[in-house]
Amino acid sequence: KAGVTQTPRYLIKTRGQQVTLSCSPISGHRSVSWYQQTPGQGLQFLFEYFSETQRNKGNFPGRFSGRQFSNSRSEMNVSTLELGDSALYLCASSSGGVTGRGYTFGSGTRLTVV
Amino acid sequence: EDQVTQSPEALRLQEGESSSLNCSYTVSGLRGLFWYRQDPGKGPEFLFTLYSAGEEKEKERLKATLTKKESFLHITAPKPEDSATYLCAVQGSTGGGADGLTFGKGTHLIIQP
Repeated sequence: KAGVTQTPRYLIKTRGQQVTLSCSPISGHRSVSWYQQTPGQGLQFLFEYFSETQRNKGNFPGRFSGRQFSNSRSEMNVSTLELGDSALYLCASSSGGVTGRGYTFGSGTRLTVV
Repeated sequence: EDQVTQSPEALRLQEGESSSLNCSYTVSGLRGLFWYRQDPGKGPEFLFTLYSAGEEKEKERLKATLTKKESFLHITAPKPEDSATYLCAVQGSTGGGADGLTFGKGTHLIIQP
């Protein structure tokens, strides 16, 4: 069974640019969540999508947005990049529901803003 | 606001030396407490989910326990391959729909041969 696939693995962008990251969940999983991981703040929740609808959102500015397609694949977009956006962005998928069962994470996209 | 505090931040053990990692939490309506393992350059790998106080789960050399305020990850006779960062996370219930996980900063565990 294929795991969660994130592309690209590495990205270097210039301050002020925008970036789009992609996540393909495990087949059959309808929930996709996004997290930002930095050495100082650890893992922080960005947002979650379930059946193409954003179900919850963390405390991040509006520059961070996402969407989910009918095949459950998800994209995350960051506009007007800042140096502080440099981080490992992780995607996690689950079968969904409200019981909070285990989430499977991808290997992440390492974004560097220069 | 949900909060998770893990201790110690780092732990160095000799191979075979058992120990415990602590995860203290505050949450509004615990839906689940999760333990993950993360190796450098990789995403977190799911270990356990605990749902209610008194629950215990085991997997190889690892055993997770849960009380109303904290969780412990016990590591028995660890091996060098158990070296990793161990992350604790909670999922609370704010009513209707799933919420994101709130993670602790993790415990960086090193097992020396």
